[in-house]
Amino acid sequence: GAGVSQSPRYKVAKRGQDVALRCDPISGHVSLFWYQQALGQGPEFLTYFQNEAQLDKSGLPSDRFFAERPEGSVSTLKIQRTQQEDSAVYLCASSFASGGSGTDTQYFGPGTRLTVL
Amino acid sequence: GENVEQHPSTLSVQEGDSAVIKCTYSDSASNYFPWYKQELGKRPQLIIDIRSNVGEKKDQRIAVTLNKTAKHFSLHITETQPEDSAVYFCAASMGNTGGFKTIFGAGTRLFVKA
Repeated sequence: GAGVSQSPRYKVAKRGQDVALRCDPISGHVSLFWYQQALGQGPEFLTYFQNEAQLDKSGLPSDRFFAERPEGSVSTLKIQRTQQEDSAVYLCASSFASGGSGTDTQYFGPGTRLTVL
Repeated sequence: GENVEQHPSTLSVQEGDSAVIKCTYSDSASNYFPWYKQELGKRPQLIIDIRSNVGEKKDQRIAVTLNKTAKHFSLHITETQPEDSAVYFCAASMGNTGGFKTIFGAGTRLFVKA
């Protein structure tokens, strides 16, 4: 079956531009996560959705970062007024059920590599 | 908040030898500990996971152990093969009480020499 997909796979933005990154989770997956992965580092948690509800956004680094999942499936991560330090791979992951304890396996997408010049 | 430390950062072994990667976590509320393998330019892929009510889990050449008291968990790969070469990440999830955050370690780059 289809896995998690993300688009675009690569994005180059000039400093100050706004970008929108899309995530298509596995069909039927309730939970959706966004991570930021800098070169040579582990993924860093940004935000979590359960269906359309954003239950945790504590990892978003600033108010320039905004995520939404309006219909409980596709999610978009938006970064306004991009800065060079935003350059990273943005990973999306989904899991089947909330489980009440958040312990379900997360399946990752291929990521979007953002380069801010 | 939760903090996950992973070591070593780099590990080089001969083909056929065993490899061990260790992680520690800080928050005793963490209850789920997955391990991911990430090849260059690819997405992280789950290789094994363990939940807090289990002390050890094995899947063919891969095993994970968890010591809740000491708050550390380890990945063991036996009979390593060149295709095991990749970056391995441990992670800890705090579930409902922690807002479903999953905190990753910094990664271990494993080289298996043929």
